[in-house]
Amino acid sequence: DGGITQSPKYLFRKEGQNVTLSCEQNLNHDAMYWYRQDPGQGLRLIYYSQIVNDFQKGDIAEGYSVSREKKESFPLTVTSAQKNPTAFYLCASTLTGVSVETQYFGPGTRLLVL
Amino acid sequence: AQSVTQPDIHITVSEGASLELRCNYSYGATPYLFWYVQSPGQGLQLLLKYFSGDTLVQGIKGFEAEFKRSQSSFNLRKPSVHWSDAAEYFCAVGHNAGNMLTFGGGTRLMVKP
Repeated sequence: DGGITQSPKYLFRKEGQNVTLSCEQNLNHDAMYWYRQDPGQGLRLIYYSQIVNDFQKGDIAEGYSVSREKKESFPLTVTSAQKNPTAFYLCASTLTGVSVETQYFGPGTRLLVL
Repeated sequence: AQSVTQPDIHITVSEGASLELRCNYSYGATPYLFWYVQSPGQGLQLLLKYFSGDTLVQGIKGFEAEFKRSQSSFNLRKPSVHWSDAAEYFCAVGHNAGNMLTFGGGTRLMVKP
């Protein structure tokens, strides 16, 4: 079955620690996205990538970093510079990043701070 | 800049009753509009979308939405709610630059037996 997988389901971060959230898709989609979800605030875009080896900052990129070395993978690193990382993180993808299309979402990763 | 407002944070309806979830958007050009549903601790699933054409759009699970340009609205409706519809619902507007979506804050639906 084609889809988007995110791991782990839950992730705990200690003070000063960088953590990496995994996002993999086997839909052969070009574009991938990372969102942060906080209660009552909907989804906010962190980073997006329209093609391999290229990515752009979204609305709330500070304290986060990404890479896109392979078409199917778009990992997100939450760095120690992100002072309030507790949230639900969602990865999404679309066939292309050129025009408006349906975004398909993974099941999410919940990040908690110890 | 584009924005999406979902005025109702929480809605409770009885099972079998009708449902309408409100969505208002602000966007300079012709909007691309979406409704997604999210079960607790899960990702988002597309219910329906409007790109052009007929302003009444049918979606999955018996949902429909109507695009009203004059009111800048895209309200979601269902004639008879089932307990399994309890979830959070998000309205979103798409814009062409990189296929971005701007989401509303969401409406949490609770269904009374």
